[in-house]
Amino acid sequence: GAVVSQHPSWVICKSGTSVKIECRSLDFQATTMFWYRQFPKQSLMLMATSNEGSKATYEQGVEKDKFLINHASLTLSTLTVTSAHPEDSSFYICSAMELSYEQYFGPGTRLTVT
Amino acid sequence: KQEVTQIPAALSVPEGENLVLNCSFTDSAIYNLQWFRQDPGKGLTSLLLIQSSQREQTSGRLNASLDKSSGRSTLYIAASQPGDSATYLCAVRPGGYSSASKIIFGSGTRLSIRP
Repeated sequence: GAVVSQHPSWVICKSGTSVKIECRSLDFQATTMFWYRQFPKQSLMLMATSNEGSKATYEQGVEKDKFLINHASLTLSTLTVTSAHPEDSSFYICSAMELSYEQYFGPGTRLTVT
Repeated sequence: KQEVTQIPAALSVPEGENLVLNCSFTDSAIYNLQWFRQDPGKGLTSLLLIQSSQREQTSGRLNASLDKSSGRSTLYIAASQPGDSATYLCAVRPGGYSSASKIIFGSGTRLSIRP
């Protein structure tokens, strides 16, 4: 089956710094990728939809200047958390959609901001 | 606006029992419904995907049903094992003009199987 990877799997950063998370589709091309956020014991909340070569579409309440998304190629999307604060600590999961519209999820990235 | 609800939020049963997890959605116009498993601190594992035209899907000890008209889906787990302990998420892809629309997740059911 299709595989999606995320890097890093976990990261600790200091408040005020920026962190970049990568999402790659390893064996298929994904014109659309999605970024989700999950707080402990809660479900996944969609943050934004990323289309290759165009600007991302953010969900209501998600600050696009804080969560920068770049989808520069058909196999890579990045999420950069700028000026991170402790309240940004969360589990971030990406998914990539192939031509059949099936979505495949990455293993997630645990972000801790101290 | 599509909303997905899962009941119960948590469930603990002894090993060997058959169990049913419930999922309901408010808008019956869906493209498909999918059940996922999530282990603590991990990503999602897709278990079963039911297209809108289907009534059920089976994989091993798992059986998922879909009743679009009533806005319900169930995940049946037979002969539960401790390894089945995880959070189970139900997710709906709304239908409509674009089949590439986003997935909406339920809040999940945390399942614990007691040895």
